[in-house]
Amino acid sequence: DVKVTQSSRYLVKRTGEKVFLECVQDMDHENMFWYRQDPGLGLRLIYFSYDVKMKEKGDIPEGYSVSREKKERFSLILESASTNQTSMYLCASRSSGSSYNEQFFGPGTRLTVL
Amino acid sequence: QKEVEQNSGPLSVPEGAIASLNCTYSDRGSQSFFWYRQYSGKSPELIMFIYSNGDKEDGRFTAQLNKASQYVSLLIRDSQPSDSATYLCAVDSASKIIFGSGTRLSIRP
Repeated sequence: DVKVTQSSRYLVKRTGEKVFLECVQDMDHENMFWYRQDPGLGLRLIYFSYDVKMKEKGDIPEGYSVSREKKERFSLILESASTNQTSMYLCASRSSGSSYNEQFFGPGTRLTVL
Repeated sequence: QKEVEQNSGPLSVPEGAIASLNCTYSDRGSQSFFWYRQYSGKSPELIMFIYSNGDKEDGRFTAQLNKASQYVSLLIRDSQPSDSATYLCAVDSASKIIFGSGTRLSIRP
């Protein structure tokens, strides 16, 4: 059974804290993605990675960075958390090589920044 | 112009009726099209994908694709209360999947 896991379901942090969100996939997928989802705004792509140590900016990268040291793990970092980063964060992975490949999502992390 | 557009809804459909969800996309080069279902508080899960013009059926679900009109739709027959969810249309574009903002569907008993 394919699986994408995220380190926390719920997280509460204070403004200015450094926050790490971890994502692990067990499907040997090349591509991994971080989204945030807010009511009325849909899924917005923050960063994605096509391979180890590679990263590309998505639509809303400001205030975030990422790290991919191993193929199965993709981390999202909030260098200095702000209240407008309160959101649901979704990690996803996808195999490369075909446009028909499905994208699998993790369960999500609901982050609240106070 | 958004790359993938959907009516946000809510779309309210009586139980047992057909629910029709629509989506348009802007990238004419897109080859694959997906429908994801997302229950409240959960992550999206794939329910259908289509890549050829025409219809594709899977149980109560039918996906329809018209590349000339850049239009994708999802029909849900015999709608059940368990179909109440947000449905995300998604399009493959340059190795990424671009998602619409979703249509909220509510099946009323």
